[in-house]
Amino acid sequence: EIVMTQSPATLSVSPGERVTLSCRASQSINRNLAWYQQKPGQAPRLLIYGASTRATGSPGRFSGSGSGTEFSLTISSLQSEDFAVYYCQQYNNWPPKTFGQGTKVEIK
Amino acid sequence: QVQLVESGGGVVQPGGSLRLSCAASGFTFSNFGMHWVRQAPGKGLECVAFIRYDGKNTYHGDSVKGRFTISRDNAKNILYLQMNSLRAEDTAVYYCAKSFNPFFDYDAFDIWGQGAMVTVS
Repeated sequence: EIVMTQSPATLSVSPGERVTLSCRASQSINRNLAWYQQKPGQAPRLLIYGASTRATGSPGRFSGSGSGTEFSLTISSLQSEDFAVYYCQQYNNWPPKTFGQGTKVEIK
Repeated sequence: QVQLVESGGGVVQPGGSLRLSCAASGFTFSNFGMHWVRQAPGKGLECVAFIRYDGKNTYHGDSVKGRFTISRDNAKNILYLQMNSLRAEDTAVYYCAKSFNPFFDYDAFDIWGQGAMVTVS
């Protein structure tokens, strides 16, 4: 089973700041990586797939990069509605399609 | 619009059973692989089961293998999760989720239901 490790666990940031979240896979997953956003009491929402392709409805301030084992999600200018937990997920070697443990982006 | 709606959650005693349903609408259900993902209170996401678009292939995670069974009725556009021998550690919100592309399962999950809470106590 591929282990996905996200860092940091928590990010305290101010609105308007640029934020970068990291995700590392225990072995190469090519570009078969997705990012999800989850707000309290809500289901996860797909933001990015294929490591860098924005899903329908995902704002342009979200961008993804990386391949192999190292990936990142960048929010260019944090908006109030972006405070949430972000999960990465690999779907290259499965089952199972494993998730990282999440990064919480909170207001500084 | 594309929608998944779970039902069947609730409170059950350890050792009991529950069946979750996920009603799909707005897309051709029979063309897409489907998943159950759970989230224990305050914890992360765990894939527990998958079923191929035609029902001919399934996967159950090690934590639920032998106790949970995923199935689907493509005529009714409904996904199921039969949960038997429930344990306290199965307490979680259970989400159904849809594979992104038809007939292809090396894929992210593009649509999620709102979740069904299962409490084993």
